[in-house]
This record gives sequence, structure tokens and C-alpha cells, in this order.
Amino acid sequence: GAVVSQHPSWVICKSGTSVKIECRSLDFQATTMFWYRQFPKQSLMLMATSNEGSKATYEQGVEKDKFLINHASLTLSTLTVTSAHPEDSSFYICSARDIHRGNTGELFFGEGSRLTVL
Amino acid sequence: SQELEQSPQSLIVQEGKNLTINCTSSKTLYGLYWYKQKYGEGLIFLMMLQKGGEEKSHEKITAKLDEKKQQSSLHITASQPSHAGIYLCGADLGSGNTPLVFGKGTRLSVIA
Repeated sequence: GAVVSQHPSWVICKSGTSVKIECRSLDFQATTMFWYRQFPKQSLMLMATSNEGSKATYEQGVEKDKFLINHASLTLSTLTVTSAHPEDSSFYICSARDIHRGNTGELFFGEGSRLTVL
Repeated sequence: SQELEQSPQSLIVQEGKNLTINCTSSKTLYGLYWYKQKYGEGLIFLMMLQKGGEEKSHEKITAKLDEKKQQSSLHITASQPSHAGIYLCGADLGSGNTPLVFGKGTRLSVIA
């Protein structure tokens, strides 16, 4: 079964509104979670690294004030797309590493969230 | 990412034929993940390789990691229409809690 759960699977919102996406590690604690974005016909691009109890680190070109990340507990990270615009429409997917599996831990991905901004 | 090169970008094969997708890193891999994705959907985990020379198989799909841990291949034997989709390799380039770096993907079409 899934070890990283993401919600919602899809969301449609009006331009200018904010949308929150949740990412949960189900049977392990994750001090770090990773958020990716995937535009149509492209690969997954890392947006930011979410750190429990501290500020997220963002990749170059990703606006931290637009994509708010909160990692308030060891099993939950949230990504809020603020004042969403049509160009923010994308597939957002999170991942977390279970450091107790494998040699260097094993990464698991959520199911992804498809955001459509009208 | 320039750190990870995946080839070919697209592939059209006739049903029943074998095919290989390659993933090459400029750095030593701590792990290499293979995923399949249908357009607009999430990632389907296929295999993870961590040891040099490691080879894993699941049904008709075999993945290998070379001894130097810089190159991996995914081989599909006797392809079927159900194999169609986008194949992504994800590289674990760090020993700590680091994210995967993805290749650009290979779009596979299988024609009858």
C-alpha cells in the first residue's frame, strides 16, 4: 500500500485563489519532504525541500512567497499555491525518504495532485 | 537535468519486440529508481537499484546498474501495449536525505 499519501488528487480553482496540497508519510517519520512540479510533456522538476521545524529551501526560479511550504509535523508537509494563476496549472507531486529502508533509505512518492487554474 | 541523461526520448516499437532505455549519470549513483507514468497520472514504481552490477527483474522488465554505478538500463522483453507510457529514471546522487534528480523521460509507444 501507499506509504506517502497526497491530497487532493486533483483540484480546480479560480484565478487569484489559494490552494493547499497535503503530503503525508503514513508509516514512517519524514524530517524532509520534497516537492516536485511537472508540466505537460516534461519531466519532474524539484521545486523545494520541506524541512520539519524549519524553513523550506527553494530551487532557483521558484517563488517562495507564491509556493508556501509548511512542515509542521514529522508526517505532514503542505504546499500552498497562493494567488494561483493559469500558468500555475501543473501536476504537483511530493516525496519522502524512509531512511530505515535500504542502504541510503528509500524514497516514496505521493499520488500527485493535478491543479487546474481557470 | 544535465546530471542525468536519459535516452531515447521517444520510442515506437512493434508489439512483441524488445527494447532498452538508458540512463547515464555524470556522477556516481547512490541509487537509481525506475518509474512508469501514464500521462497526467502519478508515478508507478518499477525498480530501485543501489549496488554496482545489480540486476532486478519484474515480469518482462529488467533493470541493471553498471559496476561503476553511473549507468542504468531498463530492458523490456516482448513488449505489449500495456507497456506503453512514459518511463522515468530518477537518480539518487547523495548519501544523505537528498531528492531524486530525474531524466527527461522516454515516451514508449507499442503498436500492434
